[in-house]
Amino acid sequence: GQQVMQIPQYQHVQEGEDFTTYCNSSTTLSNIQWYKQRPGGHPVFLIQLVKSGEVKKQKRLTFQFGEAKKNSSLHITATQTTDVGTYFCAGRIGNEKLTFGTGTRLTIIP
Amino acid sequence: DAGVIQSPRHEVTEMGQEVTLRCKPISGHNSLFWYRQTMMRGLELLIYFNNNVPIDDSGMPEDRFSAKMPNASFSTLKIQPSEPRDSAVYFCASTLRRNTGELFFGEGSRLTVL
Repeated sequence: GQQVMQIPQYQHVQEGEDFTTYCNSSTTLSNIQWYKQRPGGHPVFLIQLVKSGEVKKQKRLTFQFGEAKKNSSLHITATQTTDVGTYFCAGRIGNEKLTFGTGTRLTIIP
Repeated sequence: DAGVIQSPRHEVTEMGQEVTLRCKPISGHNSLFWYRQTMMRGLELLIYFNNNVPIDDSGMPEDRFSAKMPNASFSTLKIQPSEPRDSAVYFCASTLRRNTGELFFGEGSRLTVL
């Protein structure tokens, strides 16, 4: 079945440093979504990417969708304590169900 | 607007007991999803409904698990009999567009089976 892998599994950064998580699919995706889950909370939708090579920005967050639509990345510039949580990508093949990645847990050292 | 509402938020039960988790999706959303989250297996899709009809239940672990959606505003996930390995957080999510829409998650039901 479809697999969506994320690396790294964990990331500890000093406040103010940048952070990047990568998402890779074994098959071409029709679209990819990113979610953030705060500790003890529920996943919250951040963004959706659809087009090959697409780049979207939300303040300090930059999302990219690879040219082959098999990989994606989320980059956070100058992390803040409010960025703490687990970031999930979720990929979809055609009209099939979303498959969530394994997640990257981000912790911030003040 | 009210989001996805799940109950109970926490449930502690003994092995062998029946567990029923409930979900009210966002009004107007026509697709509903049940996920299970554990440290070991991450977020797993158990089943999803479109217009109250089960579309894919391939993620349901075994016959002890069942899910229903009797109407557009209510769904249940039942585990009978429960086992300690069922301990997890169960999330319900809904969306307006099954194939392209964002998922709105409820706050989850944390289940502990002793």
